[in-house]
Amino acid sequence: DVKVTQSSRYLVKRTGEKVFLECVQDMDHENMFWYRQDPGLGLRLIYFSYDVKMKEKGDIPEGYSVSREKKERFSLILESASTNQTSMYLCASTDGRGSGANVLTFGAGSRLTVL
Amino acid sequence: SQKIEQNSEALNIQEGKTATLTCNYTNYSPAYLQWYRQDPGRGPVFLLLIRENEKEKRKERLKVTFDTTLKQSLFHITASQPADSATYLCALKTGANNLFFGTGTRLTVIP
Repeated sequence: DVKVTQSSRYLVKRTGEKVFLECVQDMDHENMFWYRQDPGLGLRLIYFSYDVKMKEKGDIPEGYSVSREKKERFSLILESASTNQTSMYLCASTDGRGSGANVLTFGAGSRLTVL
Repeated sequence: SQKIEQNSEALNIQEGKTATLTCNYTNYSPAYLQWYRQDPGRGPVFLLLIRENEKEKRKERLKVTFDTTLKQSLFHITASQPADSATYLCALKTGANNLFFGTGTRLTVIP
């Protein structure tokens, strides 16, 4: 069964802390994405990556950075967490080779609370 | 500005009836549209995809229609069951390599 695994389901951090959210996929997918999901706002794209060491800004990249050192792993980094970054974070991946359909496989999500 | 609207935040329906969820969009020319299901505390799960040149797609009790003139997709669940209770998200892909999601409709099927 194909999987996207997010290492932490629930995190509580303090304002100003550095936060790492890890995501690993076992499907050899080219593309990986980080979204955040907030009530009434839906899923919003933070960053995505088409290849190792490549990254592209999404719609709301401010306050975030990402790292993709290996094909299967895509990390989201909050350099200095703030309360407005309290949210559900969802990692997803898709095989971008040829299909053009971009069907996303999501992880279970990481719920981050910043106090 | 670009916008995707799902008809209502919440929809309650009696078991056995057909649930119809709406996704309307403006200022897009989507290459295709997808529907996902999301259960509480979980990530979305892909259900169906329909391309711009397709009018209708079916999968078991699910049916999706796509009207690019009306800029609307309808998602139907026939013979609905309590296990169908979830939030359903529509997502549009345009020419860019990104999917734009609606805010979702929370469906409750009442036994």
